[in-house]
Amino acid sequence: AQSVAQPEDQVNVAEGNPLTVKCTYSVSGNPYLFWYVQYPNRGLQFLLKYITGDNLVKGSYGFEAEFNKSQTSFHLKKPSALVSDSALYFCAVRDRSYNTDKLIFGTGTRLQVFP
Amino acid sequence: DTEVTQTPKHLVMGMTNKKSLKCEQHMGHRAMYWYKQKAKKPPELMFVYSYEKLSINESVPSRFSPECPNSSLLNLHLHALQPEDSALYLCASSQETGIFSNTIYFGEGSWLTVV
Repeated sequence: AQSVAQPEDQVNVAEGNPLTVKCTYSVSGNPYLFWYVQYPNRGLQFLLKYITGDNLVKGSYGFEAEFNKSQTSFHLKKPSALVSDSALYFCAVRDRSYNTDKLIFGTGTRLQVFP
Repeated sequence: DTEVTQTPKHLVMGMTNKKSLKCEQHMGHRAMYWYKQKAKKPPELMFVYSYEKLSINESVPSRFSPECPNSSLLNLHLHALQPEDSALYLCASSQETGIFSNTIYFGEGSWLTVV
């Protein structure tokens, strides 16, 4: 079964500092990994995805993620956090089982950026 | 343009009411999805439509009835709901089902409260 885990319920960081939101995956075969952000009372916004190729993926709003096959991780990063980055972040993997077509989400990590 | 539009944004309905949630996309996507999200939880897949045909039903109770009138529209008809059905209902779309590298784009969601 395919799954992703987000080990931290909440990450706190000061504005201007680098941030990391962690995600590990468990899949058979090559993973298709995604990051989404959800601002309060809003839908999910796509940030970036890893399909193949370069292990460092750049996405929206200055976010990037590093795919690490040996550690089965796909951590989300940003060099300098903004207060407006405060939101709920979901890591997800595409389920490639037969006759399904869904995203399997992690439990989410709440990012709080303090001024 | 990666926009999925959902109406209404908020809906309050009684347990004997019949109502509908509506979703529209103009990206030419042929796969459309309904997800349900409870507070502080990740989204869970309900239904998948591929080329206007229902392809996946994740064992959703029959009080939820999806409909895809054309390739741009997706409805979710609601009847005889229970208070525990109160949640954020997210519509999403992607280019096609079965191409796992495709990004799934989400709408802002419809907040449903069943009283």
